[in-house]
Amino acid sequence: GAGVSQSPSNKVTEKGKDVELRCDPISGHTALYWYRQSLGQGLEFLIYFQGNSAPDKSGLPSDRFSAERTGGSVSTLTIQRTQQEDSAVYLCASSLGRSPLNEQFFGPGTRLTVL
Amino acid sequence: AQSVSQHNHHVILSEAASLELGCNYSYGGTVNLFWYVQYPGQHLQLLLKYFSGDPLVKGIKGFEAEFIKSKFSFNLRKPSVQWSDTAEYFCAVNGNGFKTIFGAGTRLFVKA
Repeated sequence: GAGVSQSPSNKVTEKGKDVELRCDPISGHTALYWYRQSLGQGLEFLIYFQGNSAPDKSGLPSDRFSAERTGGSVSTLTIQRTQQEDSAVYLCASSLGRSPLNEQFFGPGTRLTVL
Repeated sequence: AQSVSQHNHHVILSEAASLELGCNYSYGGTVNLFWYVQYPGQHLQLLLKYFSGDPLVKGIKGFEAEFIKSKFSFNLRKPSVQWSDTAEYFCAVNGNGFKTIFGAGTRLFVKA
C-alpha cells in the first residue's frame, strides 16, 4: 500500500514568510509524528498526534511553529515568520498506535530553505 | 532526560570489511532501542529493534546489534559490508513513552 507522503518535497522561502508543510500518513495509522533534521543533527522531535487526544507539542521550538491534524488523518505543520535557522528537512512519520512497539514509517521529508 | 550518542559521524570502509557503529544512550529505566537506516534518496526505515529478551538482535540485510545494559550501549554490527550498505544510520531510544530520541547519525561510505 501507499506509504507516508509529504508535500512539497522542497520549499524555498524568504525570511519572514509563513510556510505550510503537509503530511499524509498511512491509512489506518492513528499516531503521527513530526521531526526536524538539521544538517549534522539527529532527528529532533517536534509534535505528536494520537487519535483524538490532545497533541503533545512539547518539542515545538517556538510559538511560530504549530501543527494540526484534521479528521485524524492529514496533518499540516505551519511555520510563521520563518527564520534562517528554520532551514532543515522536516520529516513526518506514522505508526499504528502509541506503543513504542509499533514501528514508525517515515515520509520522504520536506526540505525547507529560508533565504 | 534521554539522550543518544553516536560516536562516529563518518565512517569509510572497503567492501568485505567488518562494521561496528557505536551507540550509547542515557536513560535509567526500561528502554526500547532502534537502529534506522536512510539509503541515498530513500526514506528512513527501520533496520532492527530491541524491546526485551535476547540482547543480540538480528535485523535485515545481515545487520545485528547487541544491547549491553551495563554499558548503556546498543552497537550495530555487520561482519562484511557491501557497497549497497552506503547510507546514514541512526540509533534511537524510547523509554517506554512515545517520544523517540534519535542520535545525530553516522554516515557510512563503502568503497567498492
